[in-house]
Amino acid sequence: DSGVTQTPKHLITATGQRVTLRCSPRSGDLSVYWYQQSLDQGLQFLIQYYNGEERAKGNILERFSAQQFPDLHSELNLSSLELGDSALYFCASSLGWGRNHEQYFGPGTRLTVT
Amino acid sequence: GENVEQHPSTLSVQEGDSAVIKCTYSDSASNYFPWYKQELGKGPQLIIDIRSNVGEKKDQRIAVTLNKTAKHFSLHITETQPEDSAVYFCAASTTGANNLFFGTGTRLTVIP
Repeated sequence: DSGVTQTPKHLITATGQRVTLRCSPRSGDLSVYWYQQSLDQGLQFLIQYYNGEERAKGNILERFSAQQFPDLHSELNLSSLELGDSALYFCASSLGWGRNHEQYFGPGTRLTVT
Repeated sequence: GENVEQHPSTLSVQEGDSAVIKCTYSDSASNYFPWYKQELGKGPQLIIDIRSNVGEKKDQRIAVTLNKTAKHFSLHITETQPEDSAVYFCAASTTGANNLFFGTGTRLTVIP
């Protein structure tokens, strides 16, 4: 158990809908990262937050957004969902930002868009 | 951006044999190289990492080597056991950016 928690474990929704994925980092970690894992794209970085502020952006679609709250939990919002958004979404956390701190991954949320 | 290539995509070994997985990276600024193990239905688990100021690192049956000049790094698992069966991912990142660029994964099967 990495100490990173994610809810829900599974999510099934229809095209065009909006969902919110939630992540709580390990105790003491200030950075949160979101990654998407799909069969065709592999594991891809989406976005990083450090202590409430966005620090890095990867291949995140404009339909997706995220935020990190004062209690350091993070939410990833996916809107206008398409079939191709079906994937595993992982949250990872690390101690800080600016140095290469170890990243620990949560168990993931499996999103299925029908 | 960084491009990480990983080989082989699948690897089968007999229990007790060694397994080697190789990765190459493109960005010479990359200086942190972790390895993750992912079991079915679980998130990636950090098993070992190496930073660019070190050439080799060992932790019991697993070791990682780094060749900065050639821009490649490898994972070595000795005395493999059935519980080592999983998908292994290499990754690379740079100081400041922090986000990880992953290889495409290697499915390791250890045959009892």
